[in-house]
Amino acid sequence: GNSVTQMEGPVTLSEEAFLTINCTYTATGYPSLFWYVQYPGEGLQLLLKATKADDKGSNKGFEATYRKETTSFHLEKGSVQVSDSAVYFCALSEAAGNKLTFGGGTRVLVKP
Amino acid sequence: EADIYQTPRYLVIGTGKKITLECSQTMGHDKMYWYQQDPGMELHLIHYSYGVNSTEKGDLSSESTVSRIRTEHFPLTLESARPSHTSQYLCASSEYGGRSSYNEQFFGPGTRLTVL
Repeated sequence: GNSVTQMEGPVTLSEEAFLTINCTYTATGYPSLFWYVQYPGEGLQLLLKATKADDKGSNKGFEATYRKETTSFHLEKGSVQVSDSAVYFCALSEAAGNKLTFGGGTRVLVKP
Repeated sequence: EADIYQTPRYLVIGTGKKITLECSQTMGHDKMYWYQQDPGMELHLIHYSYGVNSTEKGDLSSESTVSRIRTEHFPLTLESARPSHTSQYLCASSEYGGRSSYNEQFFGPGTRLTVL
């Protein structure tokens, strides 16, 4: 079956630091990959996505590249802000209309 | 404005009460989902629906039930709430099938349920 593994948190950083959250996946086919973000007290929001190998998703300064050879989709941001404090979820979907498989979430705390 | 709504946002209730968590979307999506999020943050799919009159069990067994009488509405009901049902419940929706090449889900703000 499908699975997503992401690094455990919490990750605590200072403002303007570089952020990386590792995500690896196992899938039987050719999944689409997603990063969702959950701010305190809110639901999940799609942060970025990639639908095929070597695609790079980007949004709000965050980037992730779909690496089929390493089955990875690591999230990066070059300079984090306090407002980036949230829980980040990596997820995959194998086909249109199919269910999402989520990783366990990584809590990120950015201190001023 | 197209959106997905959940009410109530917070609910504190006693054991044995019947509750219904509401979820509505104005995005015209066919597929809808309910997730349970435990304090450790993990998301568990408990129910989903392909469209009107369709309901399916998710990956995590749940004592809750759902109905889908209208496309835009997907309520979740607990007949007799227990402390073990205390959790955050997230509703989501997505397009279904050929119009989209990936399954992007849009989430509501969630309902935080506490059963005393």
